[in-house]
Amino acid sequence: NAGVTQTPKFQVLKTGQSMTLQCAQDMNHNSMYWYRQDPGMGLRLIYYSASEGTTDKGEVPNGYNVSRLNKREFSLRLESAAPSQTSVYFCASSESPGNYEQYFGPGTRLTVT
Amino acid sequence: KQEVTQIPAALSVPEGENLVLNCSFTDSAIYNLQWFRQDPGKGLTSLLLIQSSQREQTSGRLNASLDKSSGRSTLYIAASQPGDSATYLCAVGNNNDMRFGAGTRLTVKP
Repeated sequence: NAGVTQTPKFQVLKTGQSMTLQCAQDMNHNSMYWYRQDPGMGLRLIYYSASEGTTDKGEVPNGYNVSRLNKREFSLRLESAAPSQTSVYFCASSESPGNYEQYFGPGTRLTVT
Repeated sequence: KQEVTQIPAALSVPEGENLVLNCSFTDSAIYNLQWFRQDPGKGLTSLLLIQSSQREQTSGRLNASLDKSSGRSTLYIAASQPGDSATYLCAVGNNNDMRFGAGTRLTVKP
């Protein structure tokens, strides 16, 4: 039981390049989330998927797209990376939307030069 | 818009001390409040989840309280140990919207 896994752990991109961050959970959770964490700002929600087949914008969605591939997997895509997207990205999951505990992956540290 | 504040930003205590970390939020219409621990370069580990109808939760040496009307939560750590050194984050949940504080960096000195 690995919980929430993320790949890659580290990535360096040049401005304008694209990439996809992968997230998978093995807890049979319905809801999945993508956050970014910047120094001194706490975590901010980028997108979430309340259940398989649905996705919704969070607090900071601009410059990102997501895909809920199946119940286990939720990917985050940067189409044209910008230095402002340098951050640590965390994926999380919960049993259902709303009043349930969220479980986090180890994070992806992304640098855009 | 919900705003979550954690004070102090950093705290250093000697081993064995009892301590309190504070979290305040501006909108009392919340579903729950969750406390996390984050070690340097790592992900978040959930410590305690308090539902909006609850006043407190306990796990081992940790006790978290919630006062929705005043927009406050505290995390009490008893008999602190060097292994408790980490950043502690609180997050306030309203359906799918979870808002985080910036965290309190705790150092427990041997």
